Amino acid sequence: GIQVEQSPPDLILQEGANSTLRCNFSDSVNNLQWFHQNPWGQLINLFYIPSGTKQNGRLSATTVATERYSLLYISSSQTTDSGVYFCAVELYTGTASKLTFGTGTRLQVTL
Amino acid sequence: GAVVSQHPSRVICKSGTSVKIECRSLDFQATTMFWYRQFPKKSLMLMATSNEGSKATYEQGVEKDKFLINHASLTLSTLTVTSAHPEDSSFYICSASWGGWGNTEAFFGQGTRLTVV
Repeated sequence: GIQVEQSPPDLILQEGANSTLRCNFSDSVNNLQWFHQNPWGQLINLFYIPSGTKQNGRLSATTVATERYSLLYISSSQTTDSGVYFCAVELYTGTASKLTFGTGTRLQVTL
Repeated sequence: GAVVSQHPSRVICKSGTSVKIECRSLDFQATTMFWYRQFPKKSLMLMATSNEGSKATYEQGVEKDKFLINHASLTLSTLTVTSAHPEDSSFYICSASWGGWGNTEAFFGQGTRLTVV
């Protein structure tokens, strides 16, 4: 099956710092999403980004589908950004569409 | 964004009993719902995919008789953990999406933390 690797696995930032999270996938995909899982387990949709670049406030994402990677940029980080960030890729197999999650990046933002 | 509600958020049950978890799409019709399991500090693992009115498709290694999935309507899917044992304790999350294959955005419920004692 498709492999989805994220880096770094863990990241500690001081408030105000910027960061880049990476998602590599092993095969062509139909779509890609980025999520933030908060400490209570809720998954929050950040971006639906099969290709190109999108921005939403302090966050932006870029997917280069031909090179099989996506990047999530967090600028001016805040303590509320803490949590786990997942990318997930959608692959249509001909009979079903599956969302496969990456390994995750655990982010801690300190004061 | 679309809203998916999962209930209960937390449940403790005795070993040998069954537990039902509900997943509802509140403001859209979900053609497909997915059930995931997440172990502590791990990623989400897909358990099964369900389409309204048809049998669920289970991932390899997931016991169909242990984890019963029903998708009776376009807004409701249920996961029943039958004869639960302590090793079934985990965080279970559902997601729902609409639209055609390869062009859907998934939205997630709040998750259910199951503890079997």
